[in-house]
Amino acid sequence: DTAVSQTPKYLVTQMGNDKSIKCEQNLGHDTMYWYKQDSKKFLKIMFSYNNKELIINETVPNRFSPKSPDKAHLNLHINSLELGDSAVYFCASSLTIGTSGAYEQYFGPGTRLTVT
Amino acid sequence: DQQVKQNSPSLSVQEGRISILNCDYTNSMFDYFLWYKKYPAEGPTFLISISSIKDKNEDGRFTVFLNKSAKHLSLHIVPSQPGDSAVYFCAASASRSNTGKLIFGQGTTLQVKP
Repeated sequence: DTAVSQTPKYLVTQMGNDKSIKCEQNLGHDTMYWYKQDSKKFLKIMFSYNNKELIINETVPNRFSPKSPDKAHLNLHINSLELGDSAVYFCASSLTIGTSGAYEQYFGPGTRLTVT
Repeated sequence: DQQVKQNSPSLSVQEGRISILNCDYTNSMFDYFLWYKKYPAEGPTFLISISSIKDKNEDGRFTVFLNKSAKHLSLHIVPSQPGDSAVYFCAASASRSNTGKLIFGQGTTLQVKP
């Protein structure tokens, strides 16, 4: 009965490769997010989708491309991986923005990406 | 430009005593604040929140206080339990942005000693 799940949990790859991280939520939420937690432990928002529509797109290299096939899924594709992309990536979901409790985001377990 | 700051990287308290975690923010547009708890190798878990129209919100052993004039909030845990040992993140949002974007502090590691 996992609420927000991510695959894979660990990802080790070489520079220059392309990889994807998948996220799924079964909470019935229609807003989903991607966060990056860097080596200094800061959690920073990257993208947000509401009902498959992009609503937050922070200053992220365009090598990162989110894709939301439906409101329960938000995947993150990364092209031409670089050493600096090594981090933990968290997916999250919430109710529709503007509704009560919408700021309470539910996080997945994270994907630890290591680029060598 | 760090808009949400948790200036204490770590805190150690004895079981049964009070834990007080602090958070400061700079953006006066923030009007909703949350605390998250994170265990190693897990995602953050929502703990408690407070709207800027309140100055206190309580949920069991957890109480969040908001001082808008000082742009400061704190999380009180009483009594502290060993299971509370985790990293605690403060987060803030501006409802006017209508995006749900959360700005997180860098976290405070709490250790509760038996």
